[in-house]
Amino acid sequence: DTAVSQTPKYLVTQMGNDKSIKCEQNLGHDTMYWYKQDSKKFLKIMFSYNNKELIINETVPNRFSPKSPDKAHLNLHINSLELGDSAVYFCASSQLGTETQYFGPGTRLLVL
Amino acid sequence: SQKIEQNSEALNIQEGKTATLTCNYTNYSPAYLQWYRQDPGRGPVFLLLIRENEKEKRKERLKVTFDTTLKQSLFHITASQPADSATYLCALDDGSGNTGKLIFGQGTTLQVKP
Repeated sequence: DTAVSQTPKYLVTQMGNDKSIKCEQNLGHDTMYWYKQDSKKFLKIMFSYNNKELIINETVPNRFSPKSPDKAHLNLHINSLELGDSAVYFCASSQLGTETQYFGPGTRLLVL
Repeated sequence: SQKIEQNSEALNIQEGKTATLTCNYTNYSPAYLQWYRQDPGRGPVFLLLIRENEKEKRKERLKVTFDTTLKQSLFHITASQPADSATYLCALDDGSGNTGKLIFGQGTTLQVKP
């Protein structure tokens, strides 16, 4: 059983397009995150939701909009994609009050 | 703001030796520090957590130390094996409370040669 899953695994698209990445966790956790890992391998948090409520919102362009339909899902929609958006995006989950985070396999986004 | 420094150069060691990776932070002392392993093309996997009032934590061949005076954590893998080859990430809480926000280091790549 996959604990944290993401789709798609790879995403190649043109500049200016809009795309979505989906994330689901079956761990029963109440908190989910989106991270961006750039080419230098730095992993930086973008957003966090707890029980569908946004609790962390880093300095991220407003072209990025997270949506949490329920506590098991956290999707990321990106409008007007730019070259600099090319990166690996990781979803993670945890139970609030515990510090361990469980990561998905990542979505490799390439903007041409 | 908090900065985390991990040796960006790869660490190459011989199988059977002990690998020691360093994580230094520059600002406030975190409530806890975590170590994750990341294999190429995969997401990070949690290994160990150590709290500010703990000096050392062990799990099988892994050992983590936490020195709040030096602002440093050391991560040791004893009797290293080629399967231990991966990138190891250090992560700290951001000090703003129980939001689960982690700040990650750049990671150190370990290569264990047979």
